[in-house]
Amino acid sequence: AQRVTQPEKLLSVFKGAPVELKCNYSYSGSPELFWYVQYSRQRLQLLLRHISRESIKGFTADLNKGETSFHLKKPFAQEEDSAMYYCALYGQNFVFGPGTRLSVLP
Amino acid sequence: NAGVTQTPKFQVLKTGQSMTLQCAQDMNHNSMYWYRQDPGMGLRLIYYSASEGTTDKGEVPNGYNVSRLNKREFSLRLESAAPSQTSVYFCASTDGDRDSPLHFGNGTRLTVT
Repeated sequence: AQRVTQPEKLLSVFKGAPVELKCNYSYSGSPELFWYVQYSRQRLQLLLRHISRESIKGFTADLNKGETSFHLKKPFAQEEDSAMYYCALYGQNFVFGPGTRLSVLP
Repeated sequence: NAGVTQTPKFQVLKTGQSMTLQCAQDMNHNSMYWYRQDPGMGLRLIYYSASEGTTDKGEVPNGYNVSRLNKREFSLRLESAAPSQTSVYFCASTDGDRDSPLHFGNGTRLTVT
């Protein structure tokens, strides 16, 4: 079975503060991990994927196979980062976590 | 390039009515997915089609049927709508490679009264 958990439903930070959105997964094989973002009234869109080891909009995520985690981080949050963030795993198919709503306060 | 197109955008049904949600993609993707999005539950997989001619159940398939009409189109049918099916439905597609992301439609907001 494949499962994604995101322990925080809501995360509020002040502008300029660091952000970490947690994601843990379970899958018996070798998964591919992704982060998706949904801004208000927009469709879900890919933020980043672990295989690319890229930084998008200042966000990074490192796959830790020992801890089965793929936490999303940004050193300095911006107000425009306020959105719903979903961690997703591709094993046999695409499975999503319950999401974390990030609110960046001015 | 439209990407993934879903119709309708909004729909209100009475309990027991039926309807079909349409989804089409123009990216020549092999795999297509249907999810429902509910507050606090995230996106839950209803059905997916790994390739043309195949469909498989996801996490919450009960009360739904799907048809992969051709490579472009993947429809979701509610035969007898129930209030528990009130949700936002998203269609998505991908070329099927393991590291390829999903591309989403804009969603269909369905209310069952």
